[in-house]
Amino acid sequence: DGGITQSPKYLFRKEGQNVTLSCEQNLNHDAMYWYRQDPGQGLRLIYYSQIVNDFQKGDIAEGYSVSREKKESFPLTVTSAQKNPTAFYLCASSMGQGGSQPQHFGDGTRLSIL
Amino acid sequence: QKEVEQNSGPLSVPEGAIASLNCTYSDRVSQSFFWYRQYSGKSPELIMSIYSNGDKEDGRFTAQLNKASQYVSLLIRDSQPSDSATYLCALRGSGGSNYKLTFGKGTLLTVNP
Repeated sequence: DGGITQSPKYLFRKEGQNVTLSCEQNLNHDAMYWYRQDPGQGLRLIYYSQIVNDFQKGDIAEGYSVSREKKESFPLTVTSAQKNPTAFYLCASSMGQGGSQPQHFGDGTRLSIL
Repeated sequence: QKEVEQNSGPLSVPEGAIASLNCTYSDRVSQSFFWYRQYSGKSPELIMSIYSNGDKEDGRFTAQLNKASQYVSLLIRDSQPSDSATYLCALRGSGGSNYKLTFGKGTLLTVNP
């Protein structure tokens, strides 16, 4: 089945540690996105990528990094510079970056601090 | 400045009733609007998209868009307990922001058996 796979489902970070969240899609979508969701809050855009080897900062990119070496993959690293990383992280993809193209989401990764 | 406003709820309706969820937005040039359903602890799921003024129906769901009033709504007919979830309104920005979806904080809907 086509879809977006995020792993792991739960992740725990120690102080000073970098952690990487995986996002893979087999929908042949060009654009991929990372969002963060805090309890009772809307989704906030961290990074997005329109094509391979290109990505742009979203609204809350500080403390995060990404790469887009393959069309199918868009991993997110939460660095030690992100002082409040506890949140629900959602990866999304869409056929194109604009217009009428909706975004579809993976199942998410819950990150907590140990 | 808040761009997408939703009543946080909870909105409580009895089973079989019509649930009405509302969303207002500030960017007059927004062109694409989406409704997502998010069950507790799960990721958002696309329910409806609407791009033109008027109504769009899909099964028990009807999306309504009024660009002049900057208002989009979602009606759920014959509400079922399985419809209990948070409903997120999202819109695609204009110009240099057309890559991103801007989300409201969502309205929690509870359908009582």
